[in-house]
Amino acid sequence: GESVGLHLPTLSVQEGDNSIINCAYSNSASDYFIWYKQESGKGPQFIIDIRSNMDKRQGQRVTVLLNKTVKHLSLQIAATQPGDSAVYFCAENSGGSNYKLTFGKGTLLTVNP
Amino acid sequence: DAGVIQSPRHEVTEMGQEVTLRCKPISGHNSLFWYRQTMMRGLELLIYFNNNVPIDDSGMPEDRFSAKMPNASFSTLKIQPSEPRDSAVYFCASSFAGSNEQYFGPGTRLTVT
Repeated sequence: GESVGLHLPTLSVQEGDNSIINCAYSNSASDYFIWYKQESGKGPQFIIDIRSNMDKRQGQRVTVLLNKTVKHLSLQIAATQPGDSAVYFCAENSGGSNYKLTFGKGTLLTVNP
Repeated sequence: DAGVIQSPRHEVTEMGQEVTLRCKPISGHNSLFWYRQTMMRGLELLIYFNNNVPIDDSGMPEDRFSAKMPNASFSTLKIQPSEPRDSAVYFCASSFAGSNEQYFGPGTRLTVT
């Protein structure tokens, strides 16, 4: 079946550098995408979302890019901080009214001081 | 707001025992989701309620699993009888109907020995 997947299971960066976390999706009918952050021992926390009619959306230190041509989603974190260390999940809503999200496997981001 | 509340935070039980996980969604939210998270399978949606009514239970693994939502402020996920392969972290999430932004609780870590 169609699924959401991640290119890199782990990413290690230096504090202050920019981080890019990638996600590939296969369901062309998906119309909404979300990035979640999950710290150790906690539940996933909403970071930023983007609709399929957009290519880019910016938040505070984070930017999500959507390339529908190649079905690729990325999360960019500017000036990465130790507090950004966590597992990051992309999720897609395949449309319809049930708001059912399909989550990727996650990428572990480690920020080195 | 206290956020989504789950109890217990940790549960250790023996195979064959009944396990009941509890969730209190954010006040005013009328959609509720139960997820299971494991290293092997990632974050999986088990069941989704809207206005206390189960809408999609296709993710419930087998008849040993059941979920109820007797009112807008309480839901339970029951496993009877439990098996070691049920060991996982179980998350409850809630949202406003019409919103894709789901708020997750802290999770219940279940260990079945």
